[in-house]
Amino acid sequence: DQQVKQNSPSLSVQEGRISILNCDYTNSMFDYFLWYKKYPAEGPTFLISISSIKDKNEDGRFTVFLNKSAKHLSLHIVPSQPGDSAVYFCAAIVMNRDDKIIFGKGTRLHILP
Amino acid sequence: ETGVTQSPTHLIKTRGQQVTLRCSSQSGHNTVSWYQQALGQGPQFIFQYYREEENGRGNFPPRFSGLQFPNYSSELNVNALELDDSALYLCASSRKTGFGTEAFFGQGTRLTVV
Repeated sequence: DQQVKQNSPSLSVQEGRISILNCDYTNSMFDYFLWYKKYPAEGPTFLISISSIKDKNEDGRFTVFLNKSAKHLSLHIVPSQPGDSAVYFCAAIVMNRDDKIIFGKGTRLHILP
Repeated sequence: ETGVTQSPTHLIKTRGQQVTLRCSSQSGHNTVSWYQQALGQGPQFIFQYYREEENGRGNFPPRFSGLQFPNYSSELNVNALELDDSALYLCASSRKTGFGTEAFFGQGTRLTVV
């Protein structure tokens, strides 16, 4: 049972435009959400997070939006740059004893010149 | 670049063998988690160690075991390797922050079972 779903395996966006990566979740107990970026041959790199008590968090070119009623979050990258081409993982945590991170399957983002 | 390092980076083993993967944690982090990432999938939680004790386990059989040492580094051991164990194994060190968890991943160990 996939608790965190990224339904788009890949996305292509023109350089300079906005990239929007979407994520849905099923577990209403999740109270902390994260986005990770992964290049080939490297481990996932933390990008940005959001607590379930907020609906938006912004860090430079990256903004994460959370819609709890829809159990949906999205990552916006503006403007998109060539170095943003990577696999992006949406992840969620229930902040209890083990804090295990539940990942989606990832979305491969291609930034086109 | 994180302070989490994993060794080895690549490994080829034969079915039925045993393997040990190693991870050093980020300075200041006392929790280490291990994840398995199969091709085309997101990382799947194997287990977590906090202050040298197992602190949670995912849906993996007992032949997946681990250790955490006093310096918070960790090992993942897999016995009786199966072909389906071929994957990227990721280690993450973490600590709780004021409102969430700070988790940093190593570069991973690519295990191939033949």
